[in-house]
Amino acid sequence: GIQVEQSPPDLILQEGANSTLRCNFSDSVNNLQWFHQNPWGQLINLFYIPSGTKQNGRLSATTVATERYSLLYISSSQTTDSGVYFCAVEPTGGFKTIFGAGTRLFVKA
Amino acid sequence: NAGVTQTPKFQVLKTGQSMTLQCAQDMNHNSMYWYRQDPGMGLRLIYYSASEGTTDKGEVPNGYNVSRLNKREFSLRLESAAPSQTSVYFCASTPRTGTQYFGPGTRLLVL
Repeated sequence: GIQVEQSPPDLILQEGANSTLRCNFSDSVNNLQWFHQNPWGQLINLFYIPSGTKQNGRLSATTVATERYSLLYISSSQTTDSGVYFCAVEPTGGFKTIFGAGTRLFVKA
Repeated sequence: NAGVTQTPKFQVLKTGQSMTLQCAQDMNHNSMYWYRQDPGMGLRLIYYSASEGTTDKGEVPNGYNVSRLNKREFSLRLESAAPSQTSVYFCASTPRTGTQYFGPGTRLLVL
């Protein structure tokens, strides 16, 4: 089945710093999503981005489907950005969403 | 809109007991999903329902059954709970294609 790899696994930032999170996937996909899981366990959808670039405030994402990767950019990080960021893909031809293992982010004040 | 709701929030079971986790959404979404999340890991798909009246297995279906009762509700049943099923269970829904919206989760401990 399709493999989803996220990097880095862990990231510590000083408040105000920028970062890039990466998601690589091993096969073609119908769609790709980015989620943030906050320290209380709640999962919040950030982007639905099967291809192209989207921006939402300090966050933006780019998916290059032909090269099988997606990037999530966080600018001017804040302590509330802490948590785990997941990439999830839906392989072509099905509904079976596959999650990566996540990037655990801690932003220090 | 309440979005996606799950009950119960917490549950402790003994090995061999059964229980049903309930999920409901009020967004008129076609597709619904059940995931489990083990400590330090990503989510793994247990079962999904692409539309009312259909269900299908995900990555880790063994030990579980599901029912898509109507368009709003999708339940997950553990017939004989095992310690390996200790996890946090999330329900999600989506329109036919698009972003998945998650419920708050059910924390299950099987002793």
